[in-house]
Amino acid sequence: EAGVAQSPRYKIIEKRQSVAFWCNPISGHATLYWYQQILGQGPKLLIQFQNNGVVDDSQLPKDRFSAERLKGVDSTLKIQPAKLEDSAVYLCASSSSWGGGKNGLYEQYFGPGTRLTVT
Amino acid sequence: KQEVTQIPAALSVPEGENLVLNCSFTDSAIYNLQWFRQDPGKGLTSLLLIQSSQREQTSGRLNASLDKSSGRSTLYIAASQPGDSATYLCAVRKAAGNKLTFGGGTRVLVKP
Repeated sequence: EAGVAQSPRYKIIEKRQSVAFWCNPISGHATLYWYQQILGQGPKLLIQFQNNGVVDDSQLPKDRFSAERLKGVDSTLKIQPAKLEDSAVYLCASSSSWGGGKNGLYEQYFGPGTRLTVT
Repeated sequence: KQEVTQIPAALSVPEGENLVLNCSFTDSAIYNLQWFRQDPGKGLTSLLLIQSSQREQTSGRLNASLDKSSGRSTLYIAASQPGDSATYLCAVRKAAGNKLTFGGGTRVLVKP
């Protein structure tokens, strides 16, 4: 099966500019996650969608970050305006809502990520 | 609030040596625990998933153990190879369908 797709793979912007990332999850996966991974750290959840509804956005900096999943499939994460500390890899993951997957039980499958550099 | 710690942050071993990677978590009320591998510039690849009711899980040269009561998991990689060089991350899930909370990872270098 096709994996999680993300674009672009790399993006360099200046601070105060805006940027958007796109994610296409594995077909049929109802749950979609956006994680931020700062260099040298583990990923941190920004937002979790179940179909097109938000399940958890407690760690999303809502003054500058926004995300949507309008039709319950693709998702877009936007940053406006960007700050230097937003430089990170943004990972998208998806999982089946019924606990399926190769190892079962809500295993998350990750995309290759988008590396953002803010100068 | 769940906190996940991986020590050491970096590890270098000669080829053929067994690898032992540690993961500890503060809240023992977990649903399951996953070990991932991350190569430079790449996404995460799932290696093993252990349910909270399990004590260990094996796949090829990889074996992961879980001691939920003490908040620890260990990933063993037998007979390490240069191709095992990567960052290894552990993550815990509090409830079904919930987010993963990650440790900071252990960066492994296997020298030929």
